[in-house]
Amino acid sequence: QTVVTQEPSLTVSPGGTVTLTCASSTGAVTSDYYPNWFQQRPGQPPRALIYNTNNKHSWTPARFSGSLLGGKAALTLSGVQPEDEADYYCLLYFGGDTWVFGGGTKLTVL
Amino acid sequence: QVQLVQSGAEVKKPGASVRISCKASGYTFTSYYIHWVRQAPGQGLQWMGTVYPNLHAAKYAQKFQGRVTMAPDTATSTVYMELSGLTSEDTAVYYCARELHGGTFDFWGQGTLVTVSS
Repeated sequence: QTVVTQEPSLTVSPGGTVTLTCASSTGAVTSDYYPNWFQQRPGQPPRALIYNTNNKHSWTPARFSGSLLGGKAALTLSGVQPEDEADYYCLLYFGGDTWVFGGGTKLTVL
Repeated sequence: QVQLVQSGAEVKKPGASVRISCKASGYTFTSYYIHWVRQAPGQGLQWMGTVYPNLHAAKYAQKFQGRVTMAPDTATSTVYMELSGLTSEDTAVYYCARELHGGTFDFWGQGTLVTVSS
């Protein structure tokens, strides 16, 4: 069974920078996994932030960026704002039209 | 504007089935995949499967094989997801989400709460 692993929780100070990562039990994550990142605030549906590793949607704030880092997909927030406190999920493609979510990272801005 | 509007909350007894709809508007329905994702209370997101309306083709996560059916209705731009053999572990919010083939997820439905209780 394929497992996608994220940090369970991270804390960052307002104005700071934080990187969330997304690892696959199958090996290094590459662009062929089409990494997507989503933000979810309490009681809300997920909101898409990043697609295909590093592409932003028109509504994605500039302070969010996606990349590949050390065999993992990564989401970096630079100049964190209080409203960035939320859960963040990555989603990876494993072929044959199958996808797996990471367990999510709870980001606290403190 | 693109919208995915889901059907309302459901309460079901164990062993029953539930069918949820996701009505799409604001784009060419047959050009995008629709995925179903669920979230149990206090838990993370779980990918359930996807359907490509243009081909009436579906792919399901192994966990749900044999218990889930996803089907499009191109006449009404709606995708249906039916889950059978419900147990309390199926209590969750179910979301539909759109994907442009090639990995671009963008819009999500508002979610449908399914409660399974005797």
